[in-house]
Amino acid sequence: NAGVMQNPRHLVRRRGQEARLRCSPMKGHSHVYWYRQLPEEGLKFMVYLQKENIIDESGMPKERFSAEFPKEGPSILRIQQVVRGDSAAYFCASSRNTNTEAFFGQGTRLTVV
Amino acid sequence: EDQVTQSPEALRLQEGESSSLNCSYTVSGLRGLFWYRQDPGKGPEFLFTLYSAGEEKEKERLKATLTKKESFLHITAPKPEDSATYLCAVQAAYGGATNKLIFGTGTLLAVQP
Repeated sequence: NAGVMQNPRHLVRRRGQEARLRCSPMKGHSHVYWYRQLPEEGLKFMVYLQKENIIDESGMPKERFSAEFPKEGPSILRIQQVVRGDSAAYFCASSRNTNTEAFFGQGTRLTVV
Repeated sequence: EDQVTQSPEALRLQEGESSSLNCSYTVSGLRGLFWYRQDPGKGPEFLFTLYSAGEEKEKERLKATLTKKESFLHITAPKPEDSATYLCAVQAAYGGATNKLIFGTGTLLAVQP
């Protein structure tokens, strides 16, 4: 049973470009979460999605960031017009139910140059 | 405001020297408290979930306990392979449907052979 799969593992973008981060949850998991980890800081919640629905986006910046979890295919975190401050590790997690533990992927490390 | 504080920030132990990591939390109703281990460049690896005060969970050399205000991760006779950052997170029992985790900044554990 494969774990949470994220790709790419490393992504380099120039300022102003778009970044697309993908996450395939564990088999049987319908709840997906995105977190961001800045250097020397803890993991910060960004968004919680179920299939085709955004449940909680209270941690998402109001501009340039969006997330989706379509009926078919992986969840996508999209960052438009990236800036240096977007450089971070982005982790996706999934869970089976609302009260069960979340399992994390290996992360995508975004570097904006 | 919901908050998680971990101490110490860093801990260096000799192999076989037992110790405890602390996680203090302030949350408006606790749904669950989670412990994760994170190795450099990797995603968090799930260790334990605790739901109510007095609960204890064990796995190999690790034992997690929970009170109404804090949790401890006890490490008995640690080995060098236990070296990692240990993360604590809480899930609040909000009225809504969010399942987001609020993380502490972690304790960096180094076990010297």
